[in-house]
Amino acid sequence: KTQVEQSPQSLVVRQGENCVLQCNYSVTPDNHLRWFKQDTGKGLVSLTVLVDQKDKTSNGRYSATLDKDAKHSTLHITATLLDDTATYICVVGDRGSALGRLHFGAGTQLIVIP
Amino acid sequence: EAAVTQSPRNKVTVTGGNVTLSCRQTNSHNYMYWYRQDTGHGLRLIHYSYGAGNLQIGDVPDGYKATRTTQEDFFLLLELASPSQTSLYFCASSVPGQNTEVFFGKGTRLTVV
Repeated sequence: KTQVEQSPQSLVVRQGENCVLQCNYSVTPDNHLRWFKQDTGKGLVSLTVLVDQKDKTSNGRYSATLDKDAKHSTLHITATLLDDTATYICVVGDRGSALGRLHFGAGTQLIVIP
Repeated sequence: EAAVTQSPRNKVTVTGGNVTLSCRQTNSHNYMYWYRQDTGHGLRLIHYSYGAGNLQIGDVPDGYKATRTTQEDFFLLLELASPSQTSLYFCASSVPGQNTEVFFGKGTRLTVV
């Protein structure tokens, strides 16, 4: 059973627009949640990590929230650029250490058009 | 920046063939992982290792073997490749610690015909 669900599956936005990606999960325990960016043909690059029960992070044009009570996270991308075209993957870690398992969502494919 | 290098980047083999995927990390990370990524699925863990000589079974191990020969090198072996193993394979490494970050290679695309 899929424990990390991302929506939408795909999204097309115009350059300069903002967008919001959603992640719902059922992983227990939920130690931390990380958002990755995956460019076509490349590996996953970490954008941000959320840890607290209700957490917010900001990394340039990327900002994210986590609500562990609702088991829900969002990734906001502000003023999108063509280079933001990629797949964004939500990952929930069930422990804080490397001994824990990572649970991956299937990703949201974002396409930014001129 | 941690570096994880996979080779080859692309591989085509026939059903029943023997394939070895290689992964090297040069950051003295203890933990190394092999994942496969398929359309519509999140990455799924095949095998992982805590250090040289150690091997742990992941969530989708059937049809795969792995070997960690050194701290740096982790290999994934498909001894009788099948079309169902056509996938994008990622190697990753990490260090122990709170909220430990995982560093991924660029992937190996394997096609079994």
